[in-house]
Parts: sequence; structure tokens; C-alpha cells
Amino acid sequence: GNSVTQMEGPVTLSEEAFLTINCTYTATGYPSLFWYVQYPGEGLQLLLKATKADDKGSNKGFEATYRKETTSFHLEKGSVQVSDSAVYFCALSKETGGFKTIFGAGTRLFVKA
Amino acid sequence: DTGVSQDPRHKITKRGQNVTFRCDPISEHNRLYWYRQTLGQGPEFLTYFQNEAQLEKSRLLSDRFSAERPKGSFSTLEIQRTEQGDSAMYLCASSPITVGRPNTGELFFGEGSRLTVL
Repeated sequence: GNSVTQMEGPVTLSEEAFLTINCTYTATGYPSLFWYVQYPGEGLQLLLKATKADDKGSNKGFEATYRKETTSFHLEKGSVQVSDSAVYFCALSKETGGFKTIFGAGTRLFVKA
Repeated sequence: DTGVSQDPRHKITKRGQNVTFRCDPISEHNRLYWYRQTLGQGPEFLTYFQNEAQLEKSRLLSDRFSAERPKGSFSTLEIQRTEQGDSAMYLCASSPITVGRPNTGELFFGEGSRLTVL
């Protein structure tokens, strides 16, 4: 079946450090891929998405590229801020599955000033 | 505020009691999803609606769980005879799915309803 695996946390970084959170997926066909973020005390919200191979999603300085050959969608940011502290979820969704989104377990990021 | 709203935000109940959660989606969204999230895990799919029709239920949704979306607008999730294992955050999300047009399945989440069963 379809699944998402992402690196375990927590990840602790100093402000302005480079961030990578690894995500790989298993799915037949061509799913859409997403990163959702959950800030403390808030609901999940979409951070970025990519709908086909080699697409790059980007938002708020975060980027992720849909790599079908490696079935990956790693999240990167060149310089993190304290305000980026949150839980990040990699996810996939397919139209043939009714767009039921499948989530990874989440990676908690702490950014220190 | 035109986002997804959920009520109540937090419910504490005793084992064996019934609880009901309500979700009001973004008004023009025809898809509505329920998820459950436990500590340290990602959301797990429970069920979803296209307008008022419930199209799929997860095996996670035992017969103590029932969900409705009677007029294709708000939805309710009821848990009967609650058990301690039902303690979790229940998330509602909506999505605009348009037949005949490209859809990505992006979800818009509410803030969740946290259930604690004592």
C-alpha cells in the first residue's frame, strides 16, 4: 500500500543553520506530494506541494523537489529562524484513492536563537 | 474567519460515555475528511464525504464510530461507549474537488478536537 517515511526527530538547529528533513514514499502511479506544518497550538497547514515528477514546491524559504527516481521529497531551507520551530509532516495524495492523504509520522524541529 | 472550525476544542469524558464532535468546513468545499492523530504520530485517515455522501471508511473506524454530513455542509463525528484508547486529537479537513478539472488534494485543516477519556 501507499506509505510515507520521514526522518525521526527531534531536529535541533541553531538559527541560520541549513535544514534538511528527509522524506521517501511508496506509491503506485503518480501521487501529489506535500509538506504540511503544525506550529505550536495551531492546526496543520500546507507548507508546499508538488504534483508531478521534477516539480519543485517552495514557500517561506522552504523547498522540496519531487524525485520519482528516488521516490523522495526532501524538505530544505537555507537559513532557519526561531519561528520555524514546528512539526513538519510529509504526505502524499492520489486521485484514485479519493485524495485520502497519507501522512508520515512528523519531524519536530527546534530552532535555538 | 472563513477557515475550517471544529467544536469543541477539548472534551474530557469518562469511559463509556458518548461524545460528538462537529466540523464546519470552508463553505465552498465539497470534500470533508476526518482524521485521528495521536501523540508523536501523523494524522490517520478515518472517513471522508463528497457533499453528503460518505464515500469511504477506514478499518480504524469501529462500529462505535459514526460520521454524518446531512446536508453536505457541516459534519459530526460521534463516538459511542468511549474507551481510553479513543483518546486522541480528531482533525477535520476540507478540500475543493472539482470534477473535470485538475485537483491536487490539498487539505485545509481545522485546529482539531482533543478527546481525553478517563
